[in-house]
Amino acid sequence: ILNVEQSPQSLHVQEGDSTNFTCSFPSSNFYALHWYRWETAKSPEALFVMTLNGDEKKKGRISATLNTKEGYSYLYIKGSQPEDSATYLCASPGAKSSGDKLTFGTGTRLAVRP
Amino acid sequence: DAGVTQSPTHLIKTRGQQVTLRCSPKSGHDTVSWYQQALGQGPQFIFQYYEEEERQRGNFPDRFSGHQFPNYSSELNVNALLLGDSALYLCASSSWDLSISYEQYFGPGTRLTVT
Repeated sequence: ILNVEQSPQSLHVQEGDSTNFTCSFPSSNFYALHWYRWETAKSPEALFVMTLNGDEKKKGRISATLNTKEGYSYLYIKGSQPEDSATYLCASPGAKSSGDKLTFGTGTRLAVRP
Repeated sequence: DAGVTQSPTHLIKTRGQQVTLRCSPKSGHDTVSWYQQALGQGPQFIFQYYEEEERQRGNFPDRFSGHQFPNYSSELNVNALLLGDSALYLCASSSWDLSISYEQYFGPGTRLTVT
């Protein structure tokens, strides 16, 4: 059974603060790591799909890194804004044979105070 | 370009009843996956449909079944509803050919409440 874990469970920061979250996954049979941003009452929005060890991806103020050898990914938000308030989910299929069968972590809930 | 759509948005059913949830995938996608998100948990994979067949299945009982239509839209059926089936049901669409894209696009979900 693939186990994907995220920390912290929740985070409260002040507008302008930079923050980061962690996603841990088994390093064996790694295939891909997905990051999603999920605002309340909306669809989860795909942020990044990462596949290669050492991958770094960036989208505006949000960036992510991937370490497949040790089994973790970090998501960074630079200069948090209130509109960044959302739940951030990571997910992995575990192996190529699993295809689209994603196993999700429980998410990190971010609240940014103006 | 319409994204993934789901209907209905909310649904209230009584224990023992049956329910059908619907999903239309993003244009160009041919694969639909269904997930259940219970309170405080991440989404849990139920099953996946491609070419009108169930291709993968998660750890869910046979009360959960599905269907995919020739236009790639999909239904999720749950029979003999239990209180524990109350959850947000998410549909995700993707391309079966992962050499094209790994990305999965999610709908907004259907909130099912079983009383």
